[in-house]
Amino acid sequence: QQQVKQSPQSLIVQKGGISIINCAYENTAFDYFPWYQQFPGKGPALLIAIRPDVSEKKEGRFTISFNKSAKQFSLHIMDSQPGDSATYFCAAREEYGNKLVFGAGTILRVKS
Amino acid sequence: DSGVTQTPKHLITATGQRVTLRCSPRSGDLSVYWYQQSLDQGLQFLIQYYNGEERAKGNILERFSAQQFPDLHSELNLSSLELGDSALYFCASSVGGGNQPQHFGDGTRLSIL
Repeated sequence: QQQVKQSPQSLIVQKGGISIINCAYENTAFDYFPWYQQFPGKGPALLIAIRPDVSEKKEGRFTISFNKSAKQFSLHIMDSQPGDSATYFCAAREEYGNKLVFGAGTILRVKS
Repeated sequence: DSGVTQTPKHLITATGQRVTLRCSPRSGDLSVYWYQQSLDQGLQFLIQYYNGEERAKGNILERFSAQQFPDLHSELNLSSLELGDSALYFCASSVGGGNQPQHFGDGTRLSIL
């Protein structure tokens, strides 16, 4: 049972372009939505996170857009760079909960 | 560097054996979480400890157990190992028990031969 659905599985973007990764969820008890970046041989690193009381959060080149009514959220990477090439995971956590439920991941490759 | 330390980085063993994975959380963090990452199941939550007490349980097999010690480090014990247990095992930590960001270590890669 996949509680958080992530797409696409893989993505190739030209340097300087915009990378967009989408996630959808069903559980309305989720109230915290982080994105993690993982490089080969490393653990997931927290990139940016959002709560459903805001529709957008921006940190540098990374922006989360959140649509509560559609139960969807997305990560936008502006001015994508080869160093952004990694696997990106969306996740969700229930209010007062503990465990993170992860999407399946998106392998991003930024071509120089 | 997340500040979460996991040892060993790699572990190779045989079916039926038992192994112990170790995690030292970030300084000041009271919660430790264990996750399993495999190609077919993705990242799955196993168990959480907060200040020495079990706080939440996920899809953890009965052959697996964990504990958190008074110095807050945690160990994940995997026994009667099967080929399907081959995976990356990650530890994460957070300051408190609930609504705080989780920071991950670099994992232990377990290979069962």
